[in-house]
Amino acid sequence: EAGVAQSPRYKIIEKRQSVAFWCNPISGHATLYWYQQILGQGPKLLIQFQNNGVVDDSQLPKDRFSAERLKGVDSTLKIQPAKLEDSAVYLCASSLDTVKSTQYFGPGTRLLVL
Amino acid sequence: QKEVEQNSGPLSVPEGAIASLNCTYSDRGSQSFFWYRQYSGKSPELIMSIYSNGDKEDGRFTAQLNKASQYVSLLIRDSQPSDSATYLCAVSTSGTYKYIFGTGTRLKVLA
Repeated sequence: EAGVAQSPRYKIIEKRQSVAFWCNPISGHATLYWYQQILGQGPKLLIQFQNNGVVDDSQLPKDRFSAERLKGVDSTLKIQPAKLEDSAVYLCASSLDTVKSTQYFGPGTRLLVL
Repeated sequence: QKEVEQNSGPLSVPEGAIASLNCTYSDRGSQSFFWYRQYSGKSPELIMSIYSNGDKEDGRFTAQLNKASQYVSLLIRDSQPSDSATYLCAVSTSGTYKYIFGTGTRLKVLA
């Protein structure tokens, strides 16, 4: 079974530029998560989708971050404009839609904002 | 109060010893508890999940859950240098499928 795919793996941009990340979850997984992980910290949930709908985006900085999940499969996360403090690893994860479901993580996208 | 708390470490143990990692959580409605291991530069991978009070063993790993004390722990027996990593505790609250992660405990197993 293929795992969670993410691209790109690395991205370097200058502040105020825009960037987009892509995630393809495990086939059949209804729930998709985007996390931000700053060095030395645990993953922080940015947004959670169940199928096409947003379940939780309370920690998403909506003035600069946006995310969508078209047709309940792939998802993109966008930052516009980027700030220095956005430098982090952006992790995508997916799970079946039960409370006991394991989350499976993709390899992450490492973003550096200069 | 943080929702999921872990000691950031580092926790250093000699090879062959038992490593004990602890996690407390604040939401009494939490139903599912997970331990993830994260190697430097890699993404988290699941080690154990536990849903009911008591112990759950899987090889060298044992997860312990005490809902009354809002406490979950992970024991690693016969620790190996390859166990050196950051261990993340995650807690899921009923009805949301939302995970809250702790900051992780960095474990160093000394050869």
